[in-house]
Amino acid sequence: QQQVKQSPQSLIVQKGGISIINCAYENTAFDYFPWYQQFPGKGPALLIAIRPDVSEKKEGRFTISFNKSAKQFSLHIMDSQPGDSATYFCAATLRGSRLTFGEGTQLTVNP
Amino acid sequence: DAGVIQSPRHEVTEMGQEVTLRCKPISGHDYLFWYRQTMMRGLELLIYFNNNVPIDDSGMPEDRFSAKMPNASFSTLKIQPSEPRDSAVYFCASSFSSNQPQHFGDGTRLSIL
Repeated sequence: QQQVKQSPQSLIVQKGGISIINCAYENTAFDYFPWYQQFPGKGPALLIAIRPDVSEKKEGRFTISFNKSAKQFSLHIMDSQPGDSATYFCAATLRGSRLTFGEGTQLTVNP
Repeated sequence: DAGVIQSPRHEVTEMGQEVTLRCKPISGHDYLFWYRQTMMRGLELLIYFNNNVPIDDSGMPEDRFSAKMPNASFSTLKIQPSEPRDSAVYFCASSFSSNQPQHFGDGTRLSIL
């Protein structure tokens, strides 16, 4: 059972544009929602995370928007740069133990 | 600070052979996780430990897979006998506590011929 659904599977954005990746979850008990960034040949690295008592969190060019009633959250990358080209995973966890990952989004930012 | 260290980075072996993957977590981290990444199934949690004790191994595919954590600075994931469908990238991650972020190693790319 896929508990976290992520879309789109791939995304192409021009430099300077906004990249938006969406995730939906099923388990209302999830209490922590991180986003990971993965470059080829590397492990996933934590990018930004949010807890369900907050509707938005911003760190530099990266923003998470969280809609608890809709059970959805999204990652917005402002002023996207070619160096942002990577695979992005949303995830959800209950009490910080089992991370359930979305399917991943391969982002390409064209110069 | 040294991150999570995994070895080997790449492993190619023939079907039926025993494979051992190794992980050194970040010092002071009490939680250790093993994940598998494939194109078909994405990132899946196999097993995790807390203070060297296995807590949840429900993601371990079958009895051919086993994991141990003999001390706080070392863990192994063993596959015996290996099969071509075990080919994947295996990641180890660690965290300071259950509500702290997980830090991943760079993985072991395993190919079973």
